[in-house]
Amino acid sequence: NAGVTQTPKFRVLKTGQSMTLLCAQDMNHEYMYWYRQDPGMGLRLIHYSVGEGTTAKGEVPDGYNVSRLKKQNFLLGLESAAPSQTSVYFCASSYSDNQPQHFGDGTRLSIL
Amino acid sequence: KQEVTQIPAALSVPEGENLVLNCSFTDSAIYNLQWFRQDPGKGLTSLLLIQSSQREQTSGRLNASLDKSSGRSTLYIAASQPGDSATYLCAVRQYNNNDMRFGAGTRLTVKP
Repeated sequence: NAGVTQTPKFRVLKTGQSMTLLCAQDMNHEYMYWYRQDPGMGLRLIHYSVGEGTTAKGEVPDGYNVSRLKKQNFLLGLESAAPSQTSVYFCASSYSDNQPQHFGDGTRLSIL
Repeated sequence: KQEVTQIPAALSVPEGENLVLNCSFTDSAIYNLQWFRQDPGKGLTSLLLIQSSQREQTSGRLNASLDKSSGRSTLYIAASQPGDSATYLCAVRQYNNNDMRFGAGTRLTVKP
C-alpha cells in the first residue's frame, strides 16, 4: 500500500519555465490537497479538491493551477515559475473533511 | 482570518518527562483540529483529530484536548522517548469551507 506518492522528489527550474507536480493516492480518498511549506511559516493550502473533476482555491492559489481528472490523481501546475515559488510542496488526501489527512513525502522545488 | 500559533517554537526535555505542547487559534468557529508530527525531510503524519464537538482524543501515550471557547488545544505526551523527537504541528479546519490553517510547529528534542 503506497499511500500518497509525489513525483518528482526534487526539481530545479529556471524562472519562466513551466512544470507539473503529480500526486497519486491509492486509498480511494475523495479529498486531495496541495500545500507549500516555507521556513518559519508552516504549511499553506494552495488548492484542494473534494472529488473527481472538482477543484477549489486555498489560501495561496496565485501562480498555480490544478486538475483532478481522475480520482486518484491531483496535478499541480506552475505555468511560469518565479523564485518566490521555491518551496517544499506537499500533497495530502483524506476520505472526508472530518477524517485525518495522509501526506506524501514532498517535492523540493528550487527556481533560479 | 484564522491564525494559528504554536508556542514554544522549540523544546528540549530529558527522556521520561511528561510534556505539553500548545496550540492557539483566533477564530473559534472550527470544524476540527488535527495534530501532526513531521520528521526531517518527510511529510506529515497525523496523530490525532479532534472534532469540534469533542473535548479530547487519546492514542497511546498521546492525549489531545480542545477548548474552542478559549481558542486552545494541547497535546500531552507521556513518558517521552528519544523517538518522539520531531516537529509537531497543529492545524484547524474552518466551518463551511475547507480552509486549513497550520501553526508553524514546535520542534521537540527528547534527550536520552
